[in-house]
Amino acid sequence: ELKVEQNPLFLSMQEGKNYTIYCNYSTTSDRLYWYRQDPGKSLESLFVLLSNGAVKQEGRLMASLDTKARLSTLHITAAVHDLSATYFCAVDPRGSQGNLIFGKGTKLSVKP
Amino acid sequence: NAGVTQTPKFQVLKTGQSMTLQCAQDMNHNSMYWYRQDPGMGLRLIYYSASEGTTDKGEVPNGYNVSRLNKREFSLRLESAAPSQTSVYFCASSEDPRQVYGYTFGSGTRLTVV
Repeated sequence: ELKVEQNPLFLSMQEGKNYTIYCNYSTTSDRLYWYRQDPGKSLESLFVLLSNGAVKQEGRLMASLDTKARLSTLHITAAVHDLSATYFCAVDPRGSQGNLIFGKGTKLSVKP
Repeated sequence: NAGVTQTPKFQVLKTGQSMTLQCAQDMNHNSMYWYRQDPGMGLRLIYYSASEGTTDKGEVPNGYNVSRLNKREFSLRLESAAPSQTSVYFCASSEDPRQVYGYTFGSGTRLTVV
């Protein structure tokens, strides 16, 4: 069974701290996506990682992909309250027709 | 603004009623998708359409039907709604199955079946 597992599922951080969200997946894939969802809103694309070793950064967020370990990380640097949201990773299994398989999401709360 | 438009945004149905969720995109994307989002479950694929004229089942298709009316529009129909179909439904589109840019999501439809 194809699985995409995120951990932690809930994360409470203080402003200014660093933390990493992990996304493990069980199938062969060289494409991984990170999305952000604010409460009651739709999903917004954050990062598209299309090859082994890919690293992308936007502001305080940095995402990386290790296809051999089947692992992606989303690193948060010096968290601020505006980063509070739910973050989803999604995998495009090799050979699929682009049907992304989503993790359950990590709900991040950044407190002053 | 270019994007994915879903209607309605909110709907309450009685058990056994039917309804169609509408989705349209104006980005000339080939592929379109319907997902449902339930608390603690992430997003699960209901149906997808890799290109105009084709549709296929996803992970949770039971109780749903879809129509790819043309390249722009992809509708989801509930023939006989059940409380288990209470969920938030998202339509998404992508340029092609290679997913170079990932999905663009609509704003969602919050459906309650009582």
